[in-house]
Amino acid sequence: DGGITQSPKYLFRKEGQNVTLSCEQNLNHDAMYWYRQDPGQGLRLIYYSQIVNDFQKGDIAEGYSVSREKKESFPLTVTSAQKNPTAFYLCASSSPGDQPQHFGDGTRLSIL
Amino acid sequence: AQSVTQPDIHITVSEGASLELRCNYSYGATPYLFWYVQSPGQGLQLLLKYFSGDTLVQGIKGFEAEFKRSQSSFNLRKPSVHWSDAAEYFCAVGAGFTGGGNKLTFGTGTQLKVEL
Repeated sequence: DGGITQSPKYLFRKEGQNVTLSCEQNLNHDAMYWYRQDPGQGLRLIYYSQIVNDFQKGDIAEGYSVSREKKESFPLTVTSAQKNPTAFYLCASSSPGDQPQHFGDGTRLSIL
Repeated sequence: AQSVTQPDIHITVSEGASLELRCNYSYGATPYLFWYVQSPGQGLQLLLKYFSGDTLVQGIKGFEAEFKRSQSSFNLRKPSVHWSDAAEYFCAVGAGFTGGGNKLTFGTGTQLKVEL
């Protein structure tokens, strides 16, 4: 079955450490997205990519970085510059002619 | 800039009762509107969407929503709620990107509790 796979499901970060969240899709979608979800704040867009080797900042990109070397993959790195990284991170994808975004099951990041 | 307001943070209904979740949006052009549902610790599942045409749209799991341009609203309804409907519901408005994909702006969500 086609879908979006996020790993790991739970991740812990030490102070000063960078961590990378994985997002893989086999839906053949061109566009991919990363959202951050905090209680009571809904989802906020971190980065998005409309095509391989291209990506743009969303509303809250500071402290995060991404790459898009393959159509299927859009990893998110939470850097040490992100001072409040504890959140639920969701990856999504969509095709150009399909407005709805399809979501993965998320990664919960916590600070040790 | 586009925005979405879901005025109800929590709603409790009895099983079998009807449900209406409110959503108001702000967007300069004709919006793309969506309702998603999220179970605890899970991703978001699309319930229904409105792009154009008939203002009453049907979705999965017996949900429907009505687009009212004059009120800038896109309320979600279900005639008879089941205990399994307990979850968090998000309304979103979308604008297409040039070249494909879309930017979604989400509301803050409504947590639905169903009493048996």
